[in-house]
Amino acid sequence: DIQMTQSPSSLSASLRDRVTITCRASQTISNYLNWYQQKSGKAPKLLIYAASKLQSGVPSRFSGSGSGTDFTLTISSLQPDDFATYYCQQSYSAPMYTFGQGTKLGI
Amino acid sequence: EVQLVGSGGGLVQPGESLRLSCETSGFTFSNFEMNWVRQAPGKGLEWVSSISSSASTIHYADSVKGRFTISRDNAKNLLYLQMNSLRAEDTAVYYCARVGYYYDGYGYRYSFDNWGQGTLVTVSS
Repeated sequence: DIQMTQSPSSLSASLRDRVTITCRASQTISNYLNWYQQKSGKAPKLLIYAASKLQSGVPSRFSGSGSGTDFTLTISSLQPDDFATYYCQQSYSAPMYTFGQGTKLGI
Repeated sequence: EVQLVGSGGGLVQPGESLRLSCETSGFTFSNFEMNWVRQAPGKGLEWVSSISSSASTIHYADSVKGRFTISRDNAKNLLYLQMNSLRAEDTAVYYCARVGYYYDGYGYRYSFDNWGQGTLVTVSS
């Protein structure tokens, strides 16, 4: 099974900060990597697919990069709406999937 | 507008059964792989099960294999999750999710592009 490890598990930042979250796969997964944002009590929302493609409607301050085993999600300038928990997900082994443990982004 | 509306959650005792439903609209349901994902209180996301568009391919997480059954009714645009022999550790919000496809020139990439609002299952005596 492919394991996904995110770091850090939690992160404190301020408005307009540049923030980077890292996701590492236990084996190479090419660019089969997605990022989701989840706010408290809500369903997750797709932000980035195929490691670097911005989902329609997602602000351009979000970006993704990486290939193989190491991936990053970057928020270029934190906005109040961005404080949430972020998850990576591998789809290399689709139709079986694995999520990272999540990164909680707070003030 | 794509919509997924989950239902069927509730409070059950250990060993009992429950069936979740996910009513979909706004897209051609029969063309899409569907999944169930759960989230225990205060925990992260856990993939539970997937079913192909025609129901010919089904997969389960090891934690639910042999106890849960995923199914779909393409005529009614409905996705189901039959949960038997429920345990306390199955307590979670259960989300249904649609798989979106992207072709990057090398192959298809998959993501969960639309999610239901979640339905809470509580297993407790």
